[in-house]
Amino acid sequence: AQSVTQLGSHVSVSEGALVLLRCNYSSSVPPYLFWYVQYPNQGLQLLLKYTSAATLVKGINGFEAEFKKSETSFHLTKPSAHMSDAAEYFCAVRGGSGGGADGLTFGKGTHLIIQP
Amino acid sequence: AAGVIQSPRHLIKEKRETATLKCYPIPRHDTVYWYQQGPGQDPQFLISFYEKMQSDKGSIPDRFSAQQFSDYHSELNMSSLELGDSALYFCASSSSGFDEQYFGPGTRLTVT
Repeated sequence: AQSVTQLGSHVSVSEGALVLLRCNYSSSVPPYLFWYVQYPNQGLQLLLKYTSAATLVKGINGFEAEFKKSETSFHLTKPSAHMSDAAEYFCAVRGGSGGGADGLTFGKGTHLIIQP
Repeated sequence: AAGVIQSPRHLIKEKRETATLKCYPIPRHDTVYWYQQGPGQDPQFLISFYEKMQSDKGSIPDRFSAQQFSDYHSELNMSSLELGDSALYFCASSSSGFDEQYFGPGTRLTVT
């Protein structure tokens, strides 16, 4: 069964510093991976997706993620954090134990805190 | 650009009552997904529909049912509500052949 694990329920960085949010996947087939962001009391916004094309995926708001099969990872990065990046970030895989074939299975989320 | 619309945005019900949540997908999207997000939890997939037929099923309780109509909007019907059903319910839509799901703002259901 496919699943994702997010390392670190809370990550704190200074404004202007590098953002690194970790996600590892488990899958017996090439996975379809996604990163979503959720602001308080709002829906989930798609940041980027990996669907077996380029391994380095660029998303919105300056975020990008690199698919590394050897490390079964899909970490999210942003070179310079902005105060508006403070939010909850979810890594997700299509299918998986909770998602059937098409539904998304999410990680537990990482709360990103930006220090001024 | 048009987004996924969900109504109502907030709903308060008592135990054992029923609730109906509505979802209007992005125009020309033919697939709808329902998710439940408990307080401080990650979203859990409930059920999905493609072209008005159930296409996939996740952890949806037997007390819940859903359908997709000819105009592609979807409704999630919840009966015999329990306190534990209090959560954010998200609808997402996608277009067949594309993998990304676009989420609505959610309906916050509170069961008292």
